[in-house]
Amino acid sequence: QVQLQESGPGLVKPSETLSLTCTVSGNSISGDYYWGWIRQSPGKGLEWIGSKHHSGSTHNNPSLKSRVTISVDTPKNQISLKLSSVTAADTAVYYCAREVIESGSPLNYYYMDVWGKGTTVTVSS
Amino acid sequence: DIQMTQSPSSLSASVGARVTITCRASESISIYLNWYHQKPGNDPKLLIYAASSLQSGVPSRFSGSGSGTDFTLTISSLQPEDFATYFCQQSYNTPYTFGQGTKLEIK
Repeated sequence: QVQLQESGPGLVKPSETLSLTCTVSGNSISGDYYWGWIRQSPGKGLEWIGSKHHSGSTHNNPSLKSRVTISVDTPKNQISLKLSSVTAADTAVYYCAREVIESGSPLNYYYMDVWGKGTTVTVSS
Repeated sequence: DIQMTQSPSSLSASVGARVTITCRASESISIYLNWYHQKPGNDPKLLIYAASSLQSGVPSRFSGSGSGTDFTLTISSLQPEDFATYFCQQSYNTPYTFGQGTKLEIK
């Protein structure tokens, strides 16, 4: 059974960098999946942040791209998220998720079939 | 970005009722549409992918249809565990975007 568990500081100061880790169990992150991050806040609903394949291929959200770094650590079976220059608008519950790639035409289908429980991050001084 | 709009925003229904939730995309997304539901304090759970494919383990009372810009999620006979918030999500283009949610409550 695949399980994802987010971890990291629950409180980050404005202008600093938010750093989260997602530990994957029951599935190697070297498989043919993307591994991504999504956040949820009362004001903005669900917002997809981005995802990465172990090969290095990355899907980005342009609205966050300049501040986001997603990394895949295959030996540790972990993915990480770094979001720089945070403000109060970055306060949210952050989820990691597995993105399935299913062959389709003309495009592949992508969907998030396993999610972590989420971790709450508050940006405040 | 592709905007996803769900209707209604909230809905009250009784156990055993048939319920339909609508999702509209701001441009054509073919069938690159997924549905999730989420209970308070929990992570979202995948129900339907590619507009009409039922995720493994999801009860057959859930079904999805549509293509292009208009999609529906139907629950044929509501069960107590179905009361939750439902989200659609497009995977046609990055950034993937979600609808604002439809909260399904017990009548």
